[in-house]
Amino acid sequence: QQQVKQSPQSLIVQKGGISIINCAYENTAFDYFPWYQQFPGKGPALLIAIRPDVSEKKEGRFTISFNKSAKQFSLHIMDSQPGDSATYFCAARNAGNMLTFGGGTRLMVKP
Amino acid sequence: GAGVSQSPSNKVTEKGKDVELRCDPISGHTALYWYRQSLGQGLEFLIYFQGNSAPDKSGLPSDRFSAERTGGSVSTLTIQRTQQEDSAVYLCASSLMGAGANQPQHFGDGTRLSIL
Repeated sequence: QQQVKQSPQSLIVQKGGISIINCAYENTAFDYFPWYQQFPGKGPALLIAIRPDVSEKKEGRFTISFNKSAKQFSLHIMDSQPGDSATYFCAARNAGNMLTFGGGTRLMVKP
Repeated sequence: GAGVSQSPSNKVTEKGKDVELRCDPISGHTALYWYRQSLGQGLEFLIYFQGNSAPDKSGLPSDRFSAERTGGSVSTLTIQRTQQEDSAVYLCASSLMGAGANQPQHFGDGTRLSIL
């Protein structure tokens, strides 16, 4: 059973536009929600993370919005750049630092 | 280097052979994780080592898969009698250990395993 559902699977955005990736989870025991960025041939790298007691977290052009009641969270990339083209994974952590990952979103930012 | 190191970076082997994949975690990280990433897919949890506790093997897909961690540091993932469906990128991650704390997992670049 997939506990973290991610959408869309792929996304094409023009340079300067806003990229939005959504995730939904089922397990209310999750207590930490990181986003990872993965370039081809590389391992995932932590991008930004949020705890459920916060509704929004911003780091530079990247923002996580978190809706605890809806069990949904999203990543917004403002002023998207071609260098942001990568695969993005949301994840959710349960006890013991175990992560459950979404299926990934392949983002392409067109110049 | 300061990151998680995995070797080999690529492995091609024939169906039925055994393979060993190695992971060197970040120094001082007591938690170590193995994941499998099939082409274009998300990350599938395989096994988790935390300090001296018994590993969580709940993600291993079959008894052909096993892993060990020696001396609380280096880990080896072994796949016996490989099958074509084992072809994937195998990723290792490590983290500090601390209940209730946000300890991010740091990933290596993976081993791309191809079974002919």
